[in-house]
Amino acid sequence: TQLLEQSPQFLSIQEGENLTVYCNSSSVFSSLQWYRQEPGEGPVLLVTVVTGGEVKKLKRLTFQFGDARKDSSLHITAAQPGDTGLYLCAGNDYKLSFGAGTTVTVRA
Amino acid sequence: EAGVTQFPSHSVIEKGQTVTLRCDPISGHDNLYWYRRVMGKEIKFLLHFVKESKQDESGMPNNRFLAERTGGTYSTLKVQPAELEDSGVYFCASSQDWQLYNEQFFGPGTRLTVL
Repeated sequence: TQLLEQSPQFLSIQEGENLTVYCNSSSVFSSLQWYRQEPGEGPVLLVTVVTGGEVKKLKRLTFQFGDARKDSSLHITAAQPGDTGLYLCAGNDYKLSFGAGTTVTVRA
Repeated sequence: EAGVTQFPSHSVIEKGQTVTLRCDPISGHDNLYWYRRVMGKEIKFLLHFVKESKQDESGMPNNRFLAERTGGTYSTLKVQPAELEDSGVYFCASSQDWQLYNEQFFGPGTRLTVL
């Protein structure tokens, strides 16, 4: 049984468009993290959210954590080809429980 | 500062053979984790070392898998004998402190193919 569901599975957009990726958990974790992974590399941490209702911004990326601390979203504004990659959410209770990921492709 | 390194990057073996994967964590990181992704599914936790001690090995699939971290530095993950379902990408990660919000730094992974 997968604890974290990510949607959509695939997303292809044109450069300059906005996109949103969703992560829904069946459990409450101590924190939720978002990672980005590129081919041939391991996941790289983007952000950690802890508090329900929390919003964090990282340049053109905005991360929201739901009030119940079970759902989260990643919004990218004015996407660029360099944003292409696999985006993963993970529940953190010391060990990480990952979602299956969303593959994002930004076309130039 | 060097990141987490893993060796080999790829390994192709036949069913029944033995394979040993190695992970060198970031220097000074006491915490070392093994994860794997099989058959396009999500990345799953295998086990966690704190220095040389196994803190949590709840994700180890069966007794064909043996992880060691002698001296609390590098770690090895041995699969013996390998089965077809063991194919996948094995990731190692390390972190400095054992805290809830600590950042785990991942290696590039070892892609294991069992034929």
